[in-house]
Amino acid sequence: AQKITQTQPGMFVQEKEAVTLDCTYDTSDPSYGLFWYKQPSSGEMIFLIYQGSYDQQNATEGRYSLNFQKARKSANLVISASQLGDSAMYFCAMRGINTGRRALTFGSGTRLQVQP
Amino acid sequence: NAGVTQTPKFQVLKTGQSMTLQCAQDMNHNSMYWYRQDPGMGLRLIYYSASEGTTDKGEVPNGYNVSRLNKREFSLRLESAAPSQTSVYFCASSAASYGYTFGSGTRLTVV
Repeated sequence: AQKITQTQPGMFVQEKEAVTLDCTYDTSDPSYGLFWYKQPSSGEMIFLIYQGSYDQQNATEGRYSLNFQKARKSANLVISASQLGDSAMYFCAMRGINTGRRALTFGSGTRLQVQP
Repeated sequence: NAGVTQTPKFQVLKTGQSMTLQCAQDMNHNSMYWYRQDPGMGLRLIYYSASEGTTDKGEVPNGYNVSRLNKREFSLRLESAAPSQTSVYFCASSAASYGYTFGSGTRLTVV
């Protein structure tokens, strides 16, 4: 079984500052992938970043980086230089890699509000 | 545009009515999924289909049935809608690696 925990229901950040959204996970799969999605108020799910459990380096995509600490089972999302358009719900998710089940398991999300 | 198409976008049902949510993808993905999203609970898996002709239950399958009609289409049916099924429903598809694509969602209200 897989479980994702996001302990921050809501976060505030000032525009242009960096923010870290927390995500911890639990899984029995030896290989797995970790994802972050953004859901703006319009409702669509936007893929942000992916980290494989055996990747040697932390993933980065533009202003997004994933702080992956395998021993602590954490996969925190760091957004640098926050913008007003970053205000949204953010979901951490995971899936096993070498299993037949490819479905993502999601956390409960963090609502980020960027203040001018 | 390539992607996942869900219909309808909005629906209001009376308790006990039935309906089918449609989902189609044009990316030649093998796997398809149905999720529901309730406030404060993230997305929860209802059913998934690893490939054409196969379906499996997810975390919250009760009250739902699915059909993988072909590789492109994966429908979700509510046989007798209940107020507890009021939610936003997302269909998604994926290829072998980590590329998941989500539809724009169906907002369903059961009164």
